[in-house]
Amino acid sequence: NAGVTQTPKFQVLKTGQSMTLQCAQDMNHNSMYWYRQDPGMGLRLIYYSASEGTTDKGEVPNGYNVSRLNKREFSLRLESAAPSQTSVYFCASSEASQHPYNEQFFGPGTRLTVL
Amino acid sequence: QKEVEQNSGPLSVPEGAIASLNCTYSDRGSQSFFWYRQYSGKSPELIMFIYSNGDKEDGRFTAQLNKASQYVSLLIRDSQPSDSATYLCAVKPGRGSTLGRLYFGRGTQLTVWP
Repeated sequence: NAGVTQTPKFQVLKTGQSMTLQCAQDMNHNSMYWYRQDPGMGLRLIYYSASEGTTDKGEVPNGYNVSRLNKREFSLRLESAAPSQTSVYFCASSEASQHPYNEQFFGPGTRLTVL
Repeated sequence: QKEVEQNSGPLSVPEGAIASLNCTYSDRGSQSFFWYRQYSGKSPELIMFIYSNGDKEDGRFTAQLNKASQYVSLLIRDSQPSDSATYLCAVKPGRGSTLGRLYFGRGTQLTVWP
């Protein structure tokens, strides 16, 4: 039981290059999330997927696209990377329910540098 | 916009002291509240969850919730150097939301010195 996995762990891009960050979970969760974390800014939600087949914008979606490939996998794509997208990216998953308890489980993160 | 505010710190306490971390939130209908701990270079991990007014204790950790004041806190008793980390407050929106989405504060950096 690996939980939430992300690839790659580190990546360096040049401005204008594209790349896809991969995320997979084996906990049979309905909901998945992509965050970015910058110093002093906390976790900011980029996109989320409440359930397979749906995606919605979060707080900072500009410059990103997502695909919920199936229930397990949720990818984040940078079409034309910019230095402002240098950050640590976390994927997370959770059950989607009205119950008050709704822990999000986080992957190990991807450290992305855009030169 | 659902705001979650935390003192950014850094908060520095000696070993054995009580560390007090605070969080306020803007959405009065918020349902439940989470405290995540994040060590440097690592991903966040859940340490406490609370949804009823009052105190909830788990070992050296106590979460306190006051919905009338829209305030949640985390107390760490007998602080240890291993508690040095950033603590993130997260809030789940009110009833009717099935998304599981959480709103995070910016985090409070805690240092416990020996």
